[in-house]
Amino acid sequence: AQKITQTQPGMFVQEKEAVTLDCTYDTSDPSYGLFWYKQPSSGEMIFLIYQGSYDQQNATEGRYSLNFQKARKSANLVISASQLGDSAMYFCAMREGEGGADGLTFGKGTHLIIQP
Amino acid sequence: DSGVTQTPKHLITATGQRVTLRCSPRSGDLSVYWYQQSLDQGLQFLIQYYNGEERAKGNILERFSAQQFPDLHSELNLSSLELGDSALYFCASSPGRIEEETQYFGPGTRLLVL
Repeated sequence: AQKITQTQPGMFVQEKEAVTLDCTYDTSDPSYGLFWYKQPSSGEMIFLIYQGSYDQQNATEGRYSLNFQKARKSANLVISASQLGDSAMYFCAMREGEGGADGLTFGKGTHLIIQP
Repeated sequence: DSGVTQTPKHLITATGQRVTLRCSPRSGDLSVYWYQQSLDQGLQFLIQYYNGEERAKGNILERFSAQQFPDLHSELNLSSLELGDSALYFCASSPGRIEEETQYFGPGTRLLVL
């Protein structure tokens, strides 16, 4: 079974609209971390936002927020007021177990295209 | 700029050859991670080092090896290269503590095996 599922291979959104990118995860570990990264066409991986499994509040970073629904095992990324520069691949990732060890497991990504 | 540096940016080599990819973590980070991104496998975790010691292993092939040096830079060695090893190889670093576990990625090394 996939640990991280991103069900939207691609999305087209009008500029200035809000965007929700879906991510569901699968783990039996009580301690885990969830991350979103952005990969523009230039190739670099840019960290956007983090949510720990014990965090009580949804994470926010500027225009990015994470809609964390623990019971449903979902961690959707919300981008408010989308901009042309938001066009990129977006990856959801998870760290399982106690932090500090083990790499991240990534989803297959969502290709977001912002249209003017 | 994440503060993680990787060299070289691009590498073209032939099947059967051996290459070394280099990574310098962000200042103060003790953990280094290596990832491979390919079209068919997506982004895969290969291996992690913490303060010079191997800490976790992912889907790393036996033909691949890595190490972290006393100055905390890391090298990923890929040997007996095959066409399927063509990929974008990322290094990431983090402080290595649960309260600061975000991994920051370098720009990557794009490897092409011909």
